[in-house]
Amino acid sequence: DAKTTQPNSMESNEEEPVHLPCNHSTISGTDYIHWYRQLPSQGPEYVIHGLTSNVNNRMASLAIAEDRKSSTLILHRATLRDAAVYYCILTGQGGSEKLVFGKGTKLTVNP
Amino acid sequence: NAGVTQTPKFQVLKTGQSMTLQCAQDMNHEYMSWYRQDPGMGLRLIHYSVGAGITDQGEVPNGYNVSRSTTEDFPLRLLSAAPSQTSVYFCASSPTGGSNQPQHFGDGTRLSIL
Repeated sequence: DAKTTQPNSMESNEEEPVHLPCNHSTISGTDYIHWYRQLPSQGPEYVIHGLTSNVNNRMASLAIAEDRKSSTLILHRATLRDAAVYYCILTGQGGSEKLVFGKGTKLTVNP
Repeated sequence: NAGVTQTPKFQVLKTGQSMTLQCAQDMNHEYMSWYRQDPGMGLRLIHYSVGAGITDQGEVPNGYNVSRSTTEDFPLRLLSAAPSQTSVYFCASSPTGGSNQPQHFGDGTRLSIL
């Protein structure tokens, strides 16, 4: 299975943009890039996903490199509620049973 | 919609006891799965189901049993609890389990085995 690499932790200030990076150099052509986040004492929450093109939704934006070997989750204005562990996950052949969670990036948002 | 509902939220067991963790979803999703999360770790897949009557093993299936008699419910059974099974358990669902589909997670069951 293709693996992802994320920084262990990042810090941001409230109301500032946050760029969370993810490297996935062994990504295959059919792998989707998913982002989930997990707030303290809660289950993971879907954030966004994409295949090749950049994606936007009400929560965040996903910027995918042209060679697809890396991607960036963009939170446009961080709030205290965005403090969570963010997971970058690839899904490809086999579907959801191949959803592999690493340790993610712990985002701290300072007031 | 309630989404994915897990019960109980907390449970303490003694070694050797058995119990069933309940998971129900009201979104008519075909795909359901169980994960465990140990402290400081990511989630690991225990078992999954692509539809009623069909189940399969994930990464860490030993010590757990599942069945899927209805679309809505996917219970996880601990046959003889061991301290190594102390963990937080999450249930998830998605429409068909395709690789382009988001998964919806429950709030988890926190299980301690003494």
